[in-house]
Amino acid sequence: DAGITQSPRYKITETGRQVTLMCHQTWSHSYMFWYRQDLGHGLRLIYYSAAADITDKGEVPDGYVVSRSKTENFPLTLESATRSQTSVYFCASSENSNQPQHFGDGTRLSIL
Amino acid sequence: GQQLNQSPQSMFIQEGEDVSMNCTSSSIFNTWLWYKQEPGEGPVLLIALYKAGELTSNGRLTAQFGITRKDSFLNISASIPSDVGIYFCAGRNPYNQGGKLIFGQGTELSVKP
Repeated sequence: DAGITQSPRYKITETGRQVTLMCHQTWSHSYMFWYRQDLGHGLRLIYYSAAADITDKGEVPDGYVVSRSKTENFPLTLESATRSQTSVYFCASSENSNQPQHFGDGTRLSIL
Repeated sequence: GQQLNQSPQSMFIQEGEDVSMNCTSSSIFNTWLWYKQEPGEGPVLLIALYKAGELTSNGRLTAQFGITRKDSFLNISASIPSDVGIYFCAGRNPYNQGGKLIFGQGTELSVKP
């Protein structure tokens, strides 16, 4: 039971570069979410998706792009990375809008 | 935006002691969740609560959904060193679309053997 996996686990890149964080779940959950976790801010929702081809903004969407062409994958792209996007990124999924969310182990992203 | 107030922010206790932490909201929730996060890992679900007044246990952990629907608490009995981590509450507003959760700031628990 692989669950939900994120890749890469660690990434260092430079300001202005494009970077994509991957998220894959094996549960066939309808809902998927991207959060960033920063000291002093806790977990903040970036984007979420209710199903394939349906995405919506969360609390802090600026600077990020998502897509969901397949139910099991929900990649997050930083089109032109900035230092303020240095953070730990978590992907989560849930069976539907009423069930708990289950989290991956995160991607630690550093932007120099 | 909607806020969740989680307290205490940190606790440093002796092994064997009981622990209590709580979360309060400015508005009603229809779901309360409690997660634990260890270093280098994602939050792991501990307990889910869906009805006001509900009391649910998971081993040494007990959580309750407050009667007012604006609060929840988590108790850990007879703490052990592996209880160390950050505990997060999360709530779901019945008027929020998309199953979005609002998270507390976390309670960092340290247990001295």
